[in-house]
Amino acid sequence: DVVMTQSPLSLPVTLGQPASISCRSSQSLVYSDGNTYLNWFQQRPGQSPRRLIYKVSNRDSGVPDRFSGSGSGTDFTLKISRVEAEDVGVYYCMQGTHWSWTFGQGTKVEIK
Amino acid sequence: EVQLVESGGGLVQPGGSLRLSCAASGFTFSSYWMSWVRQAPGKGLEWVANIKQDGSEKYYVDSVKGRFTISRDNAKNSLYLQMNSLRAEDTAVYYCAREIIVVVPAALSWGMDVWGKGTTVTVSS
Repeated sequence: DVVMTQSPLSLPVTLGQPASISCRSSQSLVYSDGNTYLNWFQQRPGQSPRRLIYKVSNRDSGVPDRFSGSGSGTDFTLKISRVEAEDVGVYYCMQGTHWSWTFGQGTKVEIK
Repeated sequence: EVQLVESGGGLVQPGGSLRLSCAASGFTFSSYWMSWVRQAPGKGLEWVANIKQDGSEKYYVDSVKGRFTISRDNAKNSLYLQMNSLRAEDTAVYYCAREIIVVVPAALSWGMDVWGKGTTVTVSS
């Protein structure tokens, strides 16, 4: 299986400051169609997960534009340009290129 | 409103069985792949299984192959997970999710865009 490794696992951030989460895969996530099936999810405390970004950089409807995704091959990043209180939670990357799908361990974002 | 509501969780002894259900509403259920994703207490997310729109293709994570069976009834807008030979490590919240899959021709995932609130399964004696 493809191993997804996130860092850091814990990310204390000051309100209004940027945050960046790294996700690395043990194999390239580029499929022969040229697309990369890397997705990001947010799980707020006590809630179900919510998809934020699909295929590396496509934001879901309703997701604030302070969230952005980037990367290629095996190296990906989720950035929050200015952290707000509602962004507290755990963020997961997930690969959908190689069966079976796998998630990263999660990165816990908290306010300093 | 697009909604997924899971049911059927509970406490079961090791080696026992449980059937989870997921009722879908607010969208054309028969047009989407559907998935089960679980989360053990205090742990991260683990994809468990998914099923194609017509039920003709099903995929499982290795740890549940031969023990769990995913199925669906499009006439009832319902998804199911039959879990047999349950183990302590199957203890988790089980989420039903709508999954966006493109077939080019392999099936590739854009992730789960609608999630239920989850149902808790506890395997313990």
